[in-house]
Amino acid sequence: ETGVTQSPTHLIKTRGQQVTLRCSSQSGHNTVSWYQQALGQGPQFIFQYYREEENGRGNFPPRFSGLQFPNYSSELNVNALELDDSALYLCASSSPNNEQFFGPGTRLTVL
Amino acid sequence: AQSVTQLGSHVSVSEGALVLLRCNYSSSVPPYLFWYVQYPNQGLQLLLKYTTGATLVKGINGFEAEFKKSETSFHLTKPSAHMSDAAEYFCAVSALNTGFQKLVFGTGTRLLVSP
Repeated sequence: ETGVTQSPTHLIKTRGQQVTLRCSSQSGHNTVSWYQQALGQGPQFIFQYYREEENGRGNFPPRFSGLQFPNYSSELNVNALELDDSALYLCASSSPNNEQFFGPGTRLTVL
Repeated sequence: AQSVTQLGSHVSVSEGALVLLRCNYSSSVPPYLFWYVQYPNQGLQLLLKYTTGATLVKGINGFEAEFKKSETSFHLTKPSAHMSDAAEYFCAVSALNTGFQKLVFGTGTRLLVSP
């Protein structure tokens, strides 16, 4: 059974640019959640996708957006990058209302 | 709204000593509670979870936690620390009343284990 994978592992962008992060969910899981983990902090919920629809969102501005594809993989897009967007971005997949399995994360640095 | 407070950003123990990591939660509905571990440059791994039923929950690697509703606590313990337990530990709470599962995490406790 393949676990949750994320790409890329590391990314460096400059302020104002746009970035796309990718996540492949674990086999059999149709729900994907994204979290932002700033340095020294706990992860914070960005949003969740279930069967290609966003079904929950945290306190993040609209420049954070996402997609889920028919194979349940997902993308996180961030426009107009700010320095504070530098963080570890974690993807988690699950069956609805069940345990979330996390990927290794993408480390984004905004200069 | 839900929240988690983890007391102590760092906890130091000697190898073989008792590990106690503290977690208090706030939730207006019956909570689901979780402990995750994060090793350097890795994602989160679930140690254990409480949903309903028995309040003493056993997890992987010899860890356990007890749900105490009256104290709104879910402290993590391990009788004997091992060097490999050194990592960051996160307590999290969630509820299903919103129709989706959103995990709310604490700020984490770094466990240091000395020989």
